[in-house]
Amino acid sequence: GESVGLHLPTLSVQEGDNSIINCAYSNSASDYFIWYKQESGKGPQFIIDIRSNMDKRQGQRVTVLLNKTVKHLSLQIAATQPGDSAVYFCAENRGRGGANNLFFGTGTRLTVIP
Amino acid sequence: DTAVSQTPKYLVTQMGNDKSIKCEQNLGHDTMYWYKQDSKKFLKIMFSYNNKELIINETVPNRFSPKSPDKAHLNLHINSLELGDSAVYFCASSQGAGLYEQYFGPGTRLTVT
Repeated sequence: GESVGLHLPTLSVQEGDNSIINCAYSNSASDYFIWYKQESGKGPQFIIDIRSNMDKRQGQRVTVLLNKTVKHLSLQIAATQPGDSAVYFCAENRGRGGANNLFFGTGTRLTVIP
Repeated sequence: DTAVSQTPKYLVTQMGNDKSIKCEQNLGHDTMYWYKQDSKKFLKIMFSYNNKELIINETVPNRFSPKSPDKAHLNLHINSLELGDSAVYFCASSQGAGLYEQYFGPGTRLTVT
């Protein structure tokens, strides 16, 4: 399944399928990007980050892709599990001089169908 | 062994009251933050403190006053509460003010009636 992030805030996928959550960011000077997962009633939880000098980074079952040309970020989740159901946020750092000042996207709700 | 904790978890109060939310982190981090999450899940930074010094203040009304007695604590005091202040408030911390991941607390749901 694939979403357009800011314009399609929900994504439903079958358990075991791969998920792709997309995010468009606005500031071409942003140098650091993070994906967070927020489960109901909890605070955001770090998933993976990427700096602007990279275009891909892999974690455990997750991959983040960064396309600076079109200011686009995506999170790929392999073999999606019911525990992956949550709201996913991308965040871009707009701080100057290496300062940490995160601006969050509107979020995408991922629902995994057993 | 909670990393970032907030109290209270729920806060219900009337318009015009003054209330405080407390935050503590035991990660040894230098930088702490307050965020507001509205009913549409939009998460926006309010303040950031680095070693007890204010470094980010994102056009928040001056009814909101953060206080950092030491680098492990960042409290948020809100005067003259308004209906629009109803939201979930998250505290977060990071190793430093640079490009580090932020660790979030469980949130405080504030309801103003």
